Amino acid sequence: AQSVTQPDIHITVSEGASLELRCNYSYGATPYLFWYVQSPGQGLQLLLKYFSGDTLVQGIKGFEAEFKRSQSSFNLRKPSVHWSDAAEYFCAVYGDDKIIFGKGTRLHILP
Amino acid sequence: KAGVTQTPRYLIKTRGQQVTLSCSPISGHRSVSWYQQTPGQGLQFLFEYFSETQRNKGNFPGRFSGRQFSNSRSEMNVSTLELGDSALYLCASSFGDRGVYNEQFFGPGTRLTVL
Repeated sequence: AQSVTQPDIHITVSEGASLELRCNYSYGATPYLFWYVQSPGQGLQLLLKYFSGDTLVQGIKGFEAEFKRSQSSFNLRKPSVHWSDAAEYFCAVYGDDKIIFGKGTRLHILP
Repeated sequence: KAGVTQTPRYLIKTRGQQVTLSCSPISGHRSVSWYQQTPGQGLQFLFEYFSETQRNKGNFPGRFSGRQFSNSRSEMNVSTLELGDSALYLCASSFGDRGVYNEQFFGPGTRLTVL
């Protein structure tokens, strides 16, 4: 069965600093991977997805993620965060007809 | 274009009661999925519907059920409520079949509190 681990429950970065959110997955076959963002009181919004092909995926709001099969990772990055990026971020893996979400990483931004 | 709407937004029930939540997908979307979000368990997949047929179901007891109507609107029902059912229930819609392969658009959720 597939699983997703987001090791960091909370991360705090200064506005303008770079960001990397970690995601490790477990799945026997080629995974379909997603990153979602949830702002307070909002539903989830898809940031980016990886199905196949180029392992560096570009998403919305300036985010990107890199799929590394050897490390079973799909880390999310942004070169310069904005105060509006404060939210909770979820990594997810789809396989065997179901989607599994990580427990989320809450991002705090210092002014 | 209107987004995914969920009604009601907030609901308070007592143990043993049943509840029905409603989801209206984006116009033209035929796939609807439901998720439960709790602080302890995180986001968990409940079920997925496409063209009035349940395509997938998560690991939830039979007290959780759902359906989809011909206009793609969906309802989920939870019978014999337990305290642990307190959660944010999210609905997501997508245009085509195999909803998770297509971009899903999420509603704001229904916050259910069971007392």
